[in-house]
Amino acid sequence: DAKTTQPPSMDCAEGRAANLPCNHSTISGNEYVYWYRQIHSQGPQYIIHGLKNNETNEMASLIITEDRKSSTLILPHATLRDTAVYYCIVRSGGTSYGKLTFGQGTILTVHP
Amino acid sequence: DSGVTQTPKHLITATGQRVTLRCSPRSGDLSVYWYQQSLDQGLQFLIQYYNGEERAKGNILERFSAQQFPDLHSELNLSSLELGDSALYFCASSVVLETEAFFGQGTRLTVV
Repeated sequence: DAKTTQPPSMDCAEGRAANLPCNHSTISGNEYVYWYRQIHSQGPQYIIHGLKNNETNEMASLIITEDRKSSTLILPHATLRDTAVYYCIVRSGGTSYGKLTFGQGTILTVHP
Repeated sequence: DSGVTQTPKHLITATGQRVTLRCSPRSGDLSVYWYQQSLDQGLQFLIQYYNGEERAKGNILERFSAQQFPDLHSELNLSSLELGDSALYFCASSVVLETEAFFGQGTRLTVV
């Protein structure tokens, strides 16, 4: 599985955009980048995923660099309820297709 | 609400005992995943099923076993329980192998 590197923690002011970076320099051509978050021991929540192009949904935007070696998750207007651990995952292919390997993630704290 | 149902929510049992955790996937989802989250280990992938067949195996102990039934619900059996098995156990499901997975709220297992 391609490894990901994320900062251990980040802060963001409420109402501002939160930009969470992820490095995945060993990603393969057919591997997707997925983002999940986990709010205080609840089940991880799917946010967004992408392959090459930038993606946007009602929760967030995902920007993937042209060389696909890094990506950024953007929460456009962070709220206190966005405080969570955010996981960037490169989804494995081959015979174990579908397995999501979680790393340590980034603890995002949104403050008033 | 992700649509994935896990029962029970909490379970307290003694060392040496055996327990069964149950997962009902979202309607229409064929793939089920099991994860373990303990305080010092993060989210660890255990096993994945697709339409009743085992598809991928992670760091699952020999004392643990799982099954996906014809109605697509899944059970995770944990036996000869040890104190170190105390953790949150999450189930997730996806339509097919390569689509996003949605997580249940977990079963908190405490072994005393």
